[in-house]
Parts: sequence; C-alpha cells; structure tokens
Amino acid sequence: SQQGEEDPQALSIQEGENATMNCSYKTSINNLQWYRQNSGRGLVHLILIRSNEREKHSGRLRVTLDTSKKSSSLLITASRAADTASYFCATDGGGGFKTIFGAGTRLFVKA
Amino acid sequence: DAGVIQSPRHEVTEMGQEVTLRCKPISGHDYLFWYRQTMMRGLELLIYFNNNVPIDDSGMPEDRFSAKMPNASFSTLKIQPSEPRDSAVYFCASSLAPAEQYFGPGTRLTVT
Repeated sequence: SQQGEEDPQALSIQEGENATMNCSYKTSINNLQWYRQNSGRGLVHLILIRSNEREKHSGRLRVTLDTSKKSSSLLITASRAADTASYFCATDGGGGFKTIFGAGTRLFVKA
Repeated sequence: DAGVIQSPRHEVTEMGQEVTLRCKPISGHDYLFWYRQTMMRGLELLIYFNNNVPIDDSGMPEDRFSAKMPNASFSTLKIQPSEPRDSAVYFCASSLAPAEQYFGPGTRLTVT
C-alpha cells in the first residue's frame, strides 16, 4: 500500500488563487518531500521537510508538517498557469532509503 | 550538467521479447533508483543502488525483471520475457542522498 495519500485527487483553480494539497501517511518518517510532475516528464523535487520541522518555505511554496496527525500540506500561492502539473508527496518510511510516493494531486490552473 | 539520461525514450515491443532500459545518472551521485509509473498503481520503486550495489529490490515485481549497475555511470533494467502488463513509464533517478532525487525523462514502454 502507498505510504502517502494526497488529497484532493484533482484541483482546478483560477490563475492568481492559492492551491492547497494535502498528504497523509501511515508510519513514522524522518522526512517528507514534495515533487512536481509535468505531463509526460520526470518528477522534479520541490522541497523537503524534516520530521523535526513544522513549516518550510521556498518561493511561492509553503509546506507544513504535523507528525502527530501524520499529515503534510503544500500551499502554492498566487498560482500561475505554469503550475499546472501533478504534485506528489514522498516519505522515507522512517528508516532506510526507500522513498514511497503517494498517488498525487492533479492541479489545473486556468489562465 | 545534462541531468539523468535515459534511453530509449519510447519502446514498443511484442510480448515475449527482451527489453533493456538504460540509465546514466548524474555524475557524482551515489544513489540510483528505478521506478515504474502506471495509472493503476502510481509510482512504484522497483530497486535502488548505493555505490553500484543493489540495496533493496523488494519492489521488483517478478523474476522476469532484473537490474544491474556495472559502474557508477550506467545502469540497466531488463525485462525478459516482456508481457503486456509491463507497459508503463519507467523512470530512473539519482541522488547524493536518499532524498532530493533527480529524475530522468522516463522510458515509455508498450508491450503488445
């Protein structure tokens, strides 16, 4: 079974709006990552948050982590049409180097 | 840096044929990962290497799948014999650490 489960599965918003995607996971983790995948392309790493961090920023991205709820959220502010992509969370399962990806959220930003 | 290079980008083959996918990781990266992506199962880790040594191959679906990394700059994923259910996009990724993986463009495999 997948470690990370994203919510919602799909999201459609207008350019300029904020987009929030959520990820829940099942076991303890050392870190959680978010990746983006444009259609037909490989995944691109966006941001990593460690288990002892609660919030992290990178440009228009804000990631939060709540280890008590085993959940994380990715916020994209002031979205652009170019943000249209699938977004995946990935966890390390708390040990080893096996990265487990969720099913992803498909984001569509309308110009 | 050219990034992770995969070849071929597209492969169409008939059931029963042998398929070999190739990957060149980013120079200096000591972790290499092979993933498979399908609509039904999402992105699955098949196997990963550290310093050319296979560490975890528990994701390899069957004995028909094998992967090798003869040196730090080259890895192969072989399927023999191939079956229609192997149709998927196969990604190779490399990293300096287990996190922050750099993905190649993928190989789209179609087995008819």
